[in-house]
Amino acid sequence: DTGVSQNPRHKITKRGQNVTFRCDPISEHNRLYWYRQTLGQGPEFLTYFQNEAQLEKSRLLSDRFSAERPKGSFSTLEIQRTEQGDSAMYLCASSLGASGLREKLLFGSGTQLSVL
Amino acid sequence: QQQVKQSPQSLIVQKGGISIINCAYENTAFDYFPWYQQFPGKGPALLIAIRPDVSEKKEGRFTISFNKSAKQFSLHIMDSQPGDSATYFCAASIPPYGNNRLAFGKGNQVVVIP
Repeated sequence: DTGVSQNPRHKITKRGQNVTFRCDPISEHNRLYWYRQTLGQGPEFLTYFQNEAQLEKSRLLSDRFSAERPKGSFSTLEIQRTEQGDSAMYLCASSLGASGLREKLLFGSGTQLSVL
Repeated sequence: QQQVKQSPQSLIVQKGGISIINCAYENTAFDYFPWYQQFPGKGPALLIAIRPDVSEKKEGRFTISFNKSAKQFSLHIMDSQPGDSATYFCAASIPPYGNNRLAFGKGNQVVVIP
């Protein structure tokens, strides 16, 4: 395993189109997170999976956003009817659930979305 | 609403010097405070983290100092190197969401000049 893998690295789309991103976490990690980062800001939490169960969704995740993690392995994040405000870096992260400071969140390099 | 606030926004340090970045928070329910380092085009990478029951933690050239009464914590980078030039984010998490449902600050850009 070389880390958390995200595809594509870059995506340019026209407003109103649908886009889908993929995240492949570290294989033994049972927890998977999606964050969004805009220019000059820190990452913002979007949603979280433990195995295949989506346990939490941020209010930032509007109805146009949907995330899945079938079979508890890779995850996809789909944005329907994209808007210019969706332009951001979408970051995936994974961790092996543990207590205390032992649970380390490892991020992928992200998918940069540009909505024209 | 920014739950964690960082200062200064940017910092220029001479090679070998000490970089100090500060973070302030309001929510006393936060119980886990990590610092992340991010290079352009990459995702954030965990540097060091602390819980509020200790006042200081050191890992190599990186030290977190934590002041619970002031609701502040800081990152010290000793013997700063040009390779440390990056954006640094402080973050905090709230139970019961666990360590990784994080609220991040806006980031500090650190530039280390030779």
